[in-house]
Amino acid sequence: NAGVTQTPKFQVLKTGQSMTLQCAQDMNHNSMYWYRQDPGMGLRLIYYSASEGTTDKGEVPNGYNVSRLNKREFSLRLESAAPSQTSVYFCASNLVREENIQYFGAGTRLSVL
Amino acid sequence: RKEVEQDPGPFNVPEGATVAFNCTYSNSASQSFFWYRQDCRKEPKLLMSVYSSGNEDGRFTAQLNRASQYISLLIRDSKLSDSATYLCVVNTGNQFYFGTGTSLTVIP
Repeated sequence: NAGVTQTPKFQVLKTGQSMTLQCAQDMNHNSMYWYRQDPGMGLRLIYYSASEGTTDKGEVPNGYNVSRLNKREFSLRLESAAPSQTSVYFCASNLVREENIQYFGAGTRLSVL
Repeated sequence: RKEVEQDPGPFNVPEGATVAFNCTYSNSASQSFFWYRQDCRKEPKLLMSVYSSGNEDGRFTAQLNRASQYISLLIRDSKLSDSATYLCVVNTGNQFYFGTGTSLTVIP
């Protein structure tokens, strides 16, 4: 059982380049999330998807787009990368019920030069 | 006002010490509460859920006070392997809100 899988693990981009971060979960979870983590800021929500076919903005959505491709997959796209998007990106998923625990992928370390 | 606030530390304690972390949250409608552990350059992992009745898992005890909107984590008999950042997490509706984390270093 792989849990939450993110690709790539590392990426270096030049300003203005685009890329898509991939996330897949095999736990049959209905909700999926994208966060960024910066020093001293904690995890901040970029976008989330409460169920297949729905997406909603989080705290810091500007400069990003998402696609909930199916129940398993939730991708994050940077259309025109900026140095301010240098960060560690985490994907997470959870099954909304009483316990409601989030499980995280290993993260993507992105540098935008 | 931040949804979740916690003391960033750092806490540097000797092996065997007892250490307590505190966290406050702003939304009284929050439903679920957690402590996560994050090792350097790794993803957050669930340490324990937090209940109003208090819960214990070995050397770790978590407590929730809904009236004061306050969450705590107590670590007894600290081990070197407890060195990490501890994140306070609050679930409100469809979203999870994270504190900035409290850094713990256990010293030999």
